[in-house]
Amino acid sequence: DAMVIQNPRYQVTQFGKPVTLSCSQTLNHNVMYWYQQKSSQAPKLLFHYYDKDFNNEADTPDNFQSRRPNTSFCFLDIRSPGLGDAAMYLCATSYRRNSNQPQHFGDGTRLSIL
Amino acid sequence: GNSVTQMEGPVTLSEEAFLTINCTYTATGYPSLFWYVQYPGEGLQLLLKATKADDKGSNKGFEATYRKETTSFHLEKGSVQVSDSAVYFCALSDSDYKLSFGAGTTVTVRA
Repeated sequence: DAMVIQNPRYQVTQFGKPVTLSCSQTLNHNVMYWYQQKSSQAPKLLFHYYDKDFNNEADTPDNFQSRRPNTSFCFLDIRSPGLGDAAMYLCATSYRRNSNQPQHFGDGTRLSIL
Repeated sequence: GNSVTQMEGPVTLSEEAFLTINCTYTATGYPSLFWYVQYPGEGLQLLLKATKADDKGSNKGFEATYRKETTSFHLEKGSVQVSDSAVYFCALSDSDYKLSFGAGTTVTVRA
């Protein structure tokens, strides 16, 4: 089935050690999103790509960056993870950047910081 | 700005009970409305959507009607099962295409 795949499902890293989370999609969607979800909270949008056009949210820390080398893949890089960055990270896609387009989510990567 | 307010949880029900989760919204334009469900340890799945006033979204026995006059999109299911235990998020998308989520409602169904 076409889907959004996130790897790994669980990631442990050390305080301050760079980490990369990956997302791939077989939906051929134009838009890819990254969300951060902390325990018992709603997802918070970090940034998104519309094709190759990167769009950062105003309150996303500089510590978080993203790459989209092609339509299918998108990466979330955390340059120097702090304890407050421990969370579930969700990747989502949509066909177009349009209000009536639903977003399709992956199962997430749970990041722990030691 | 846009915002979504949904019923505080947690909600605990017995199997075959009726479920309602209230959701109201504030939006500057004419938003599309969504319900997403998140099962333990998983990402969000689209449950249903409605894109204009009086539309009814339905899926897996769940229903919600877009009520512009009351700015509401309440989720209902007539007979819940244990497998419906999850966190439910109401969300809207407006002219800025971004999803604004409610806080989420945790539903637990007991056998």
